[in-house]
Amino acid sequence: AQKVTQAQTEISVVEKEDVTLDCVYETRDTTYYLFWYKQPPSGELVFLIRRNSFDEQNEISGRYSWNFQKSTSSFNFTITASQVVDSAVYFCALSEAGDDKIIFGKGTRLHILP
Amino acid sequence: EAGVVQSPRYKIIEKKQPVAFWCNPISGHNTLYWYRQNLGQGPELLIRYENEEAVDDSQLPKDRFSAERLKGVDSTLKIQPAELGDSAVYLCASSVGRDTYYEQYFGPGTRLTVT
Repeated sequence: AQKVTQAQTEISVVEKEDVTLDCVYETRDTTYYLFWYKQPPSGELVFLIRRNSFDEQNEISGRYSWNFQKSTSSFNFTITASQVVDSAVYFCALSEAGDDKIIFGKGTRLHILP
Repeated sequence: EAGVVQSPRYKIIEKKQPVAFWCNPISGHNTLYWYRQNLGQGPELLIRYENEEAVDDSQLPKDRFSAERLKGVDSTLKIQPAELGDSAVYLCASSVGRDTYYEQYFGPGTRLTVT
């Protein structure tokens, strides 16, 4: 069965600090996708990144970076030099190939304090 | 390009009353999803449509929930009668097709409060 665990329910950091959001997943499939979504107060889920299980390269996009480690079944998300606009709930998600479903974690609520 | 449109954004009803939510997906998107997001949780899939056909409704509580997508474009999700436990945000999403299920675009959701 597939499962996504985001152990951090809520995190608060001061603006400009770096912050890492943890994500651990479980799957029996060798082929799967991992995702991160951002949900600001407006409610929409904003897609941030998708990785497939065969691509373990870390990725950087501006202040965002992702660390995918199959050995520990983790897909962590780091925001560098955080800004107040980064305040939101962040969801890690998993989809097994051929399942056509995305399974979400419970989310981490991130507060960036000015 | 217009995104996924949902209405209403907020709805407050008393228990046992009916309620309906409407979703208009991105133009050209054949696959439509309804999710429920309980407070402090991630979204959970209720039903998925391929055009007008419901291809996965295994998580839809069929005793009180129903959905339709008659012309394969917009969709309505209904609850009748509503219970207190139905209070949640109902999200609609769409993708081009089944093969691009991993590229879902989400609407802003309808926040339902049942009193």
